[in-house]
Amino acid sequence: DSGVTQTPKHLITATGQRVTLRCSPRSGDLSVYWYQQSLDQGLQFLIQYYNGEERAKGNILERFSAQQFPDLHSELNLSSLELGDSALYFCASSVGGVSQSNEQFFGPGTRLTVL
Amino acid sequence: AQSVAQPEDQVNVAEGNPLTVKCTYSVSGNPYLFWYVQYPNRGLQFLLKYITGDNLVKGSYGFEAEFNKSQTSFHLKKPSALVSDSALYFCAVRDIGNNNDMRFGAGTRLTVKP
Repeated sequence: DSGVTQTPKHLITATGQRVTLRCSPRSGDLSVYWYQQSLDQGLQFLIQYYNGEERAKGNILERFSAQQFPDLHSELNLSSLELGDSALYFCASSVGGVSQSNEQFFGPGTRLTVL
Repeated sequence: AQSVAQPEDQVNVAEGNPLTVKCTYSVSGNPYLFWYVQYPNRGLQFLLKYITGDNLVKGSYGFEAEFNKSQTSFHLKKPSALVSDSALYFCAVRDIGNNNDMRFGAGTRLTVKP
């Protein structure tokens, strides 16, 4: 158990809908990362937050947004969902800070299915 | 921008034999390099990392990796494979000079046969 929790475990929804994925980092970790894992695209970095502020941005679509709250949990919002958004979404956390040498600890993931 | 390549989709070894999972990277500056393992229906688990110092890095479950700057490689190795090592392995790189996003390789599926 990595100490990172994600809810829900599974999510089934329809095209055009909006969903929110939630992540609680390990105790003491200030950085939260979001990744998308699909068979054709592999593991894609979406976005990183550090202590409530956006730190780095990857291949995140404009239809997707995220935020990190004062209690350090994070939410990933996916809107106007398309079939191609079906994937495993992982959250990871690390101690963070100026040094980016810290390893990340991954949650169990949320499997999103868009029908 | 940084990138990482895992040239083999699949690696098969017999139990007890040494294993190698290959990784090469490209960065503009100096890299931070990581290996992660993913078991079925689980998140990724950290195995080891290279930040600086000794080129041979030892990690969890008997794995080690060697940083080779001239060949821009960071191959994962284990002297004696176990059936329980069968999983998906990811190499990742972070370019210290970039905006700090982590790039993962496509993954290599390791199968260890008894």
